[in-house]
Amino acid sequence: NAGVTQTPKFQVLKTGQSMTLQCAQDMNHNSMYWYRQDPGMGLRLIYYSASEGTTDKGEVPNGYNVSRLNKREFSLRLESAAPSQTSVYFCASKETPPYEQYFGPGTRLTVT
Amino acid sequence: LAKTTQPISMDSYEGQEVNITCSHNNIATNDYITWYQQFPSQGPRFIIQGYKTKVTNEVASLFIPADRKSSTLSLPRVSLSDTAVYYCLVGGMDSNYQLIWGAGTKLIIKP
Repeated sequence: NAGVTQTPKFQVLKTGQSMTLQCAQDMNHNSMYWYRQDPGMGLRLIYYSASEGTTDKGEVPNGYNVSRLNKREFSLRLESAAPSQTSVYFCASKETPPYEQYFGPGTRLTVT
Repeated sequence: LAKTTQPISMDSYEGQEVNITCSHNNIATNDYITWYQQFPSQGPRFIIQGYKTKVTNEVASLFIPADRKSSTLSLPRVSLSDTAVYYCLVGGMDSNYQLIWGAGTKLIIKP
């Protein structure tokens, strides 16, 4: 069991470029999440997906789009990157009821 | 949405018991309390979860008073490797996401 995997681990983008962050889980969880974490701060929810085929906005969705490709995969897309999107991005999954979230290793994104 | 308040930082020494308290005054009836640990450059990791009274597992205990407006994470006999940020979250059975992550408590263990 790999748990939650994320690619890439590191990425540098120029302002205006686009990219997709990939996330996959092998635990058969229904719910998946994308968070961002800025230095010294807690995690902020960008989008989540309660089940395959559904997605909902979290606390900070502006500038991002998501796709729940299937039960395993949940991708996050930055259409036009901005320096304010420099952050560490974490993907997580969990099963309901309020069982714990399992996190991936994160993607460190720098936008110049 | 239930918001939590924790101390920003704490120091302790190896071998001591550490207690981190979290305040959640507007916790709802269905809400559970969950604690996570995060090391630098890693994703958070689940420590313990509870609804009321006391929960204990192999790494920690969670104490929840009757009014559930606060909770205390207890780490027995800490070591240097327990230096991390600890987050308290509150969420319900009918929530599909665990609410707002605060800045957490940065725990530093000294030799």
